[in-house]
Amino acid sequence: DAGVTQSPTHLIKTRGQHVTLRCSPISGHKSVSWYQQVLGQGPQFIFQYYEKEERGRGNFPDRFSARQFPNYSSELNVNALLLGDSALYLCASSGSGDRRNTEAFFGQGTRLTVV
Amino acid sequence: KQEVTQIPAALSVPEGENLVLNCSFTDSAIYNLQWFRQDPGKGLTSLLLIQSSQREQTSGRLNASLDKSSGRSTLYIAASQPGDSATYLCAVIGTAGNKLTFGGGTRVLVKP
Repeated sequence: DAGVTQSPTHLIKTRGQHVTLRCSPISGHKSVSWYQQVLGQGPQFIFQYYEKEERGRGNFPDRFSARQFPNYSSELNVNALLLGDSALYLCASSGSGDRRNTEAFFGQGTRLTVV
Repeated sequence: KQEVTQIPAALSVPEGENLVLNCSFTDSAIYNLQWFRQDPGKGLTSLLLIQSSQREQTSGRLNASLDKSSGRSTLYIAASQPGDSATYLCAVIGTAGNKLTFGGGTRVLVKP
């Protein structure tokens, strides 16, 4: 069984550019969440989607947006990139939006470097 | 606002020694607590999930306990091996929403 897959694995962008990160959840999982992990820190929550609806949003600026598609895959978009957006972006999938059944499984992440 | 703390930030032990990793959280109103392992530059691997109604969970050499009332969890790794060297993260899901709130992690080095 394929786990959570993310693409691309690495990305280098210039300040001011836009980036799109992609995530495919584990087959049968309907919930996808996005996290940002800066070097040396724990991941910070960005978004959660369940059944194409936004279920939660972390403390990130409006430059960050996301969506979930009918096949439950998801995209994270970041506009007007800043140097501080350089981080490992992690996608997690879980079986449902029910917080009582929420074992999260993570992908390998996308390493974004903004220069 | 939920805050999760992991102390120590780093730990070095000789091979064969038991590891004890601590996690504390400020809001005891949680649904689950999950322990993860992260190798350098990689994603997170789920180790154990403890539901709020449980006191502990075991998988092989790993055992995690949960004391919700005191806001603490402990991950025990028996008979450590060099392959256990990694960063270990704990995270909780609270009643405020479906997000995981993470601690800063404990970086473990097991010396041969």
